[in-house]
Amino acid sequence: QQKVQQSPESLTVSEGAMASLNCTFSDRSSDNFRWYRQHSGKGLEVLVSIFSDGEKEEGSFTAHLNRASLHVFLHIREPQPSDSALYLCAVSIGPSGSWQLIFGSGTQLTVMP
Amino acid sequence: NAGVIQTPRHKVTGKGQEATLWCEPISGHSAVFWYRQTIVQGLEFLTYFRNQAPIDDSGMPKERFSAQMPNQSHSTLKIQSTQPQDSAVYLCASSLDVGAYAETLYFGSGTRLTVL
Repeated sequence: QQKVQQSPESLTVSEGAMASLNCTFSDRSSDNFRWYRQHSGKGLEVLVSIFSDGEKEEGSFTAHLNRASLHVFLHIREPQPSDSALYLCAVSIGPSGSWQLIFGSGTQLTVMP
Repeated sequence: NAGVIQTPRHKVTGKGQEATLWCEPISGHSAVFWYRQTIVQGLEFLTYFRNQAPIDDSGMPKERFSAQMPNQSHSTLKIQSTQPQDSAVYLCASSLDVGAYAETLYFGSGTRLTVL
């Protein structure tokens, strides 16, 4: 069973400083990773999807996947206070005939002006 | 495109009452998912439909919970005899398809259920 863990639980950075979030998973056979964020009281917003080792950039968000080390990182370049939210890592598992998205517990990011 | 629409936004029920939650997926999307979010457990998969057919309900509590998708424009999650531990935010998501499981899920804003 795929297990997904995120660290740190909470992170505070100053506006404009790089923010780096970590996600570890247990089954390196997965090849479908997503980062979502959730503003308080809102639904989930997809930020970046990555399917192979290396980097994938979407605007100010960069995902870095290393399946050998079971890590997928999210780097946020020059974050703004409006980027303060819960950031969730998700890993797809797709055994034959089924499909699920397994989420980590999230990192609460606060960007100070 | 209004995105995934969930109603109501908030629902308060008394213990033992029934709660029905509604979801309207994005038009043209063939897959609909239900998740439950709590502080303690985080986001938990409940069930999903593809082309209105139930595919995987492995996350659904076996008693009291049921989900249906009577047509392509809406799905319902029904909880009978609600209990305080059912209190959570219930999130619905849709995607174009899940054939290659590479499709992005688009989430609604959720229904916050509070069971007194």
